[in-house]
Amino acid sequence: TVMTQSPETLSVSPGERATLSCRASQSVSSNLAWYQQRPGQAPSLLIYGASTRATGIAARFSGSGSGTEFTLTISSLQSEDFAVYYCQQYDNWPHTFGQGTTLDIK
Amino acid sequence: EVQLVESGGGLVKPGGSLRLSCAGTGFTFSTYSMNWVRQAPGKGLEWVSSISSTGKNIYYADSVKGRFTISRDNAKNSVLLQMNSLTGEDTAVYYCARGRRAGGPYYFDSWGQGTLVTVSS
Repeated sequence: TVMTQSPETLSVSPGERATLSCRASQSVSSNLAWYQQRPGQAPSLLIYGASTRATGIAARFSGSGSGTEFTLTISSLQSEDFAVYYCQQYDNWPHTFGQGTTLDIK
Repeated sequence: EVQLVESGGGLVKPGGSLRLSCAGTGFTFSTYSMNWVRQAPGKGLEWVSSISSTGKNIYYADSVKGRFTISRDNAKNSVLLQMNSLTGEDTAVYYCARGRRAGGPYYFDSWGQGTLVTVSS
């Protein structure tokens, strides 16, 4: 299953809302996770099951979608949110990740 | 606190071998799948291999099948990745990650800090 994220880069001002998209080449049901990777750090889990926030994740992060279309929304961006975001499907083998969306400061 | 600590990375010549290790603490290691995910310099994430909690079920990406071997020792709370016949395309940071979702495939809820493998002559 090929995962395609858009846009590749998103420039947003602090305090504004960011919307990131992820599309699967075939249905993955709700078996979709989102990860955040800050520069020089390992990825960390944000969302699983398309819409369930992982433990300790701030409420400004929300996920939606099912089947082939998914969205990660970050309301009111904070400075620590500027990072690379990856989606990953875990509906079928092999696991596949999107190519990532870089969220940078406008 | 869940901690995953990788070791074993380094510089190796093309065609060579390397063994990575990941030690897990802060959780009941034997009840979780364990996984390796890699990231080439400046690139995205690529899943490499998974092993179920008991070690019974093992999966590999096509890019490493036949060259890499994953194993685990639940008594030592560790997972290993034996890498043979390495090429420049294997150059990457290798992350150990804990997997969730019974039966797999998995999402990854905890990650190590990664270990760098460089394949170069």
